[in-house]
Amino acid sequence: DTEVTQTPKHLVMGMTNKKSLKCEQHMGHRAMYWYKQKAKKPPELMFVYSYEKLSINESVPSRFSPECPNSSLLNLHLHALQPEDSALYLCASSRADQETQYFGPGTRLLVL
Amino acid sequence: AQSVAQPEDQVNVAEGNPLTVKCTYSVSGNPYLFWYVQYPNRGLQFLLKYITGDNLVKGSYGFEAEFNKSQTSFHLKKPSALVSDSALYFCAVRDWRYQAGTALIFGKGTTLSVSS
Repeated sequence: DTEVTQTPKHLVMGMTNKKSLKCEQHMGHRAMYWYKQKAKKPPELMFVYSYEKLSINESVPSRFSPECPNSSLLNLHLHALQPEDSALYLCASSRADQETQYFGPGTRLLVL
Repeated sequence: AQSVAQPEDQVNVAEGNPLTVKCTYSVSGNPYLFWYVQYPNRGLQFLLKYITGDNLVKGSYGFEAEFNKSQTSFHLKKPSALVSDSALYFCAVRDWRYQAGTALIFGKGTTLSVSS
């Protein structure tokens, strides 16, 4: 099973809202990733968790707050977003000792 | 600086013809190279990777890629294109700035359009 699931599939939120994106995998992977992707552009790395610890933060604004409650789950908490934050948010996972990342289908976020 | 270049924004081929999507790279460490495909409104799907070994790597859906160290290239190929291969293709290389987890640097992407 090489499946990474993400919920919700679509999300519309106002600039004052608080929402969360959820990502789950049951492949035993110990590295999990958040990416932001604008239309027809490459994914941009936001955060990397390795063994449930934040190992990479690519200078992401504090209105994005990641959380890794256990080895299977990854959340991205959103607060006071801007319209330019509208994008497809992709989650991925990999074995900690291997390089191949497996991606979820993404959450399409629209900030009004 | 580490980088990946995909020189073509779009590649057009007729169904049944061979296809090539080009990728060149620049890395500070060993070149761990990947190809991913993305269909509209979907996540990225892993196609193949080169870590070490044979320069010709075979992957999913009949795709293959050839690693050329002297030309720092990793072009994606398929002998006979299908209309269903039409999608956005990304080349990626491991980012050696980080050791924990595996950060990837993606190229800008190439849209492949296969006509019937």
